[in-house]
Amino acid sequence: QQQVKQSPQSLIVQKGGISIINCAYENTAFDYFPWYQQFPGKGPALLIAIRPDVSEKKEGRFTISFNKSAKQFSLHIMDSQPGDSATYFCAASGSNYKLTFGKGTLLTVNP
Amino acid sequence: ETGVTQTPRHLVMGMTNKKSLKCEQHLGHNAMYWYKQSAKKPLELMFVYNFKEQTENNSVPSRFSPECPNSSHLFLHLHTLQPEDSALYLCASSQGFMAYNEQFFGPGTRLTVL
Repeated sequence: QQQVKQSPQSLIVQKGGISIINCAYENTAFDYFPWYQQFPGKGPALLIAIRPDVSEKKEGRFTISFNKSAKQFSLHIMDSQPGDSATYFCAASGSNYKLTFGKGTLLTVNP
Repeated sequence: ETGVTQTPRHLVMGMTNKKSLKCEQHLGHNAMYWYKQSAKKPLELMFVYNFKEQTENNSVPSRFSPECPNSSHLFLHLHTLQPEDSALYLCASSQGFMAYNEQFFGPGTRLTVL
């Protein structure tokens, strides 16, 4: 029940396209859903996060869509750029400090 | 130095060696974390310190021993490791002790156990 399942494992997108990464969870106590971005040689960095009281959150080209009934959430990257090439991790947490992470998606944006 | 720094960045050790990983945060945070990142696996939380007090030991083998002398420094002491312990070890810090308190990660130490 603590797992967060992330797909796809890898994704190749052309410059200007839309990148979509999906995550699903089982634990209904989860109430915080962040996405982290990790470049090679760097640690993960918080990209965007959402709470279940909203269905969508947008920050620039990055949007989280949240479906509480389906227990799914996704990251959309609009107008994908080569500089967006990185590994993306979804995560979820309940009312404590523990983040349960997905396995990650390696995104490659071709010029 | 800014953010979260980790030393060394790369470490190769034999199974009988003893070594230590160091983490320092320059953000004035009060919580620090050790994570293990292995290929094709989710990040695994190993240890958590809140105001220098250990509040989590996530069933980590005793060959990993953390130390937090103050809220800015965190160490991970390693001894008699196994090849399966080879991974990227990440340190993180946060101001506040809830998941919604953003965790800032260091660049990690790439550990190889021969």
